[in-house]
Amino acid sequence: NAGVTQTPKFQVLKTGQSMTLQCAQDMNHEYMSWYRQDPGMGLRLIHYSVGAGITDQGEVPNGYNVSRSTTEDFPLRLLSAAPSQTSVYFCASSNTGIYGYTFGSGTRLTVV
Amino acid sequence: QKEVEQDPGPLSVPEGAIVSLNCTYSNSAFQYFMWYRQYSRKGPELLMYTYSSGNKEDGRFTAQVDKSSKYISLFIRDSQPSDSATYLCAVTQGAQKLVFGQGTRLTINP
Repeated sequence: NAGVTQTPKFQVLKTGQSMTLQCAQDMNHEYMSWYRQDPGMGLRLIHYSVGAGITDQGEVPNGYNVSRSTTEDFPLRLLSAAPSQTSVYFCASSNTGIYGYTFGSGTRLTVV
Repeated sequence: QKEVEQDPGPLSVPEGAIVSLNCTYSNSAFQYFMWYRQYSRKGPELLMYTYSSGNKEDGRFTAQVDKSSKYISLFIRDSQPSDSATYLCAVTQGAQKLVFGQGTRLTINP
């Protein structure tokens, strides 16, 4: 049972490049979310999904896109990377949401 | 004003001490409360969740919620060096959006 798997673990991008952060879960969870973690800021919600085909914006959605074509996968796309997007990105999933989420191990992204 | 305020520390205590970690929140609509532990360069892991005022115990950990004061706490008894981590409180109105505190970095000294 792998839980929540994020790839890649590390990435360096140049300003203006695009990329997709992958997230997959094998627990048949309906709820999935993307957070970014910056020093002194805690975790901030980027986008979330309550099931396949249903997504919505969180607190800091600008510059990011998501889609959810299957229950298992919830990729996060950076459209045109900016240095302000340098952060650690976490994907999380839950079957109920209110009783807690399971987090992946994170993707450490640097934009130069 | 942030929706959830948490003292970032750092907090350093000797092994065996009782640790108290605290958060305050501003919106009385928050009904579900969680504590996560995050080791360096790892993802957060759920420690405890609760949805009612009062105390909830799990081994050496006790989560306390006071909805009237909008105050949540995590107590760690008989603290161990392995408890050294960043502790994050989180609150939510419903299932979709967790709001996190900034996290408190805790070090337990042997």
